[in-house]
Amino acid sequence: GENVEQHPSTLSVQEGDSAVIKCTYSDSASNYFPWYKQELGKGPQLIIDIRSNVGEKKDQRIAVTLNKTAKHFSLHITETQPEDSAVYFCAASPPSGYSTLTFGKGTMLLVSP
Amino acid sequence: IAGITQAPTSQILAAGRRMTLRCTQDMRHNAMYWYRQDLGLGLRLIHYSNTAGTTGKGEVPDGYSVSRANTDDFPLTLASAVPSQTSVYFCASSDYRGTEAFFGQGTRLTVV
Repeated sequence: GENVEQHPSTLSVQEGDSAVIKCTYSDSASNYFPWYKQELGKGPQLIIDIRSNVGEKKDQRIAVTLNKTAKHFSLHITETQPEDSAVYFCAASPPSGYSTLTFGKGTMLLVSP
Repeated sequence: IAGITQAPTSQILAAGRRMTLRCTQDMRHNAMYWYRQDLGLGLRLIHYSNTAGTTGKGEVPDGYSVSRANTDDFPLTLASAVPSQTSVYFCASSDYRGTEAFFGQGTRLTVV
């Protein structure tokens, strides 16, 4: 089955800096790659996603890039703010079945004022 | 709009007891899922249902069962709880493959 590796496990940045989280996946057939943000005591919430026919997608301060050949994708957050502090999960969805997402183990992002 | 509602929000359960975690969605999504979240392991799929009347096994299905009698409800049952089932359980739903999965607030279960 699919295996998703996520790095780093923790990331500390200063407010205003950029943050980058990287993920690799094993199943070359996977074609949907969402990123979720989870705040303390809450369920994960989608912040951005990308499909395998697109190399990059941007939404304000958040961008995701996908390299299908290398089977890796990354989340980029620019001009970080303290409210960006949370746990971020990448995921991959193989084409067999519905959104049976395989998640990375998560990255705890801490943005210091 | 409630989205996904899980109950209870937390529970302490004696080992060997039976427990059903409830999940209801009001978005008329076809697919529903149960994940467990453990520190350092991320979220792992337990069971899923692509449509009412069908269910499938995920990555960690042992010790759990599900049913999908209608579109809105997807209960998760632990027939005989064990301490290794201590976790935070999230229910989710999505419209069809490759679209956003919406998560509930989670149920924190402690088996003692």
